[in-house]
Amino acid sequence: GAVVSQHPSWVICKSGTSVKIECRSLDFQATTMFWYRQFPKQSLMLMATSNEGSKATYEQGVEKDKFLINHASLTLSTLTVTSAHPEDSSFYICSARGTGGFYGYTFGSGTRLTVV
Amino acid sequence: QQQVKQSPQSLIVQKGGISIINCAYENTAFDYFPWYQQFPGKGPALLIAIRPDVSEKKEGRFTISFNKSAKQFSLHIMDSQPGDSATYFCAASNNQGGKLIFGQGTELSVKP
Repeated sequence: GAVVSQHPSWVICKSGTSVKIECRSLDFQATTMFWYRQFPKQSLMLMATSNEGSKATYEQGVEKDKFLINHASLTLSTLTVTSAHPEDSSFYICSARGTGGFYGYTFGSGTRLTVV
Repeated sequence: QQQVKQSPQSLIVQKGGISIINCAYENTAFDYFPWYQQFPGKGPALLIAIRPDVSEKKEGRFTISFNKSAKQFSLHIMDSQPGDSATYFCAASNNQGGKLIFGQGTELSVKP
């Protein structure tokens, strides 16, 4: 079945630094990638949608200059949290959709970001 | 219009019982309705999904019931087991827009 690999699974960084999270589709070509953020005991909130080779579309209220998304290939998307602050601490999850027709959504295992 | 409303927020069921979680949506353009199971610290995993052209879909102990006119769908977990204890999310999307909108989640606890 479709597999999405997300790394790292957890990261601790100092306030003011940047962190990059990678999301790879291992056995299919992901034309569309979605990035979600999840706070404890809450639902997944969509941050942005990216199509391969195009700029990401951000949801209302999400700072595009803070959360940089790159989707340069059909198998890799990255989310960079720039100048991270403690309030950015959260669980970040990627999801990918395949090419041609409707393939559903495959989720990564998530990245726990803690900013200290 | 983009919201998916899920209830209950939490659910406690005895082992062997039936767990029922409900969702409602507004956007009639939605045409894909999946249910996800999430364990702490993990990404959501697809349990079962349905398209609006059928009213019910069953896979093992999991059944989705879909009521297009009422814009509601539900997940039934038969013979619930302690290993089913997790958070369950309903979601909806349309094939055109692609965004998957999640319900608020239900924390299920199955007591032995």
